[in-house]
Amino acid sequence: EPEVTQTPSHQVTQMGQEVILRCVPISNHLYFYWYRQILGQKVEFLVSFYNNEISEKSEIFDDQFSVERPDGSNFTLKIRSTKLEDSAMYFCASSEALLPRGKETQYFGPGTRLLVL
Amino acid sequence: EDKVVQSPLSLVVHEGDTVTLNCSYEVTNFRSLLWYKQEKKAPTFLFMLTSSGIEKKSGRLSSILDKKELFSILNITATQTGDSAIYLCAVETLNTGNQFYFGTGTSLTVIP
Repeated sequence: EPEVTQTPSHQVTQMGQEVILRCVPISNHLYFYWYRQILGQKVEFLVSFYNNEISEKSEIFDDQFSVERPDGSNFTLKIRSTKLEDSAMYFCASSEALLPRGKETQYFGPGTRLLVL
Repeated sequence: EDKVVQSPLSLVVHEGDTVTLNCSYEVTNFRSLLWYKQEKKAPTFLFMLTSSGIEKKSGRLSSILDKKELFSILNITATQTGDSAIYLCAVETLNTGNQFYFGTGTSLTVIP
């Protein structure tokens, strides 16, 4: 069964450093998403991406964050200058095109645990 | 501000019990409501609901949506210890880019 993969599974970084989290969505999917889940808190939407551009972003997704689809298969989330409060599990997800309706299921990757020290 | 509220926050039941998990929402431009099960890391998809009154069923799990009263329930019958997880409700809106709003989840513990 196709699956979304994410690397690395864990990353520890110093405050102020840049990190890049990588995701490989399911190959025929067209919509991509990043979410985060701070330990013990709810899953929060960060950004959605379609047709090589951001479709929607939340208030959390400020100028420190950026996303990119550099090579047609990977989907990356970059945090330019990490803060302590960026420590969280980051989930990538992907879904098929919106049409036809009824096939739209969102598949989550296993997540990257980011720890900022 | 859009929001999704789940109740109860946590639940402990015995194997064989039936549980009902609740999700109410208050969003603009509702599109669909999704249920996920989160055991350790990533949520796994259970159901997507778009129409009122149509029950979706998968084994011992079933779910239904009420778009008039703005809520959904997830039922689990004959619970097993493997059902222990956090159950997440998420609502998708028609805003460009399909933004999803998650509830805080219901933590279900099934004891033998």
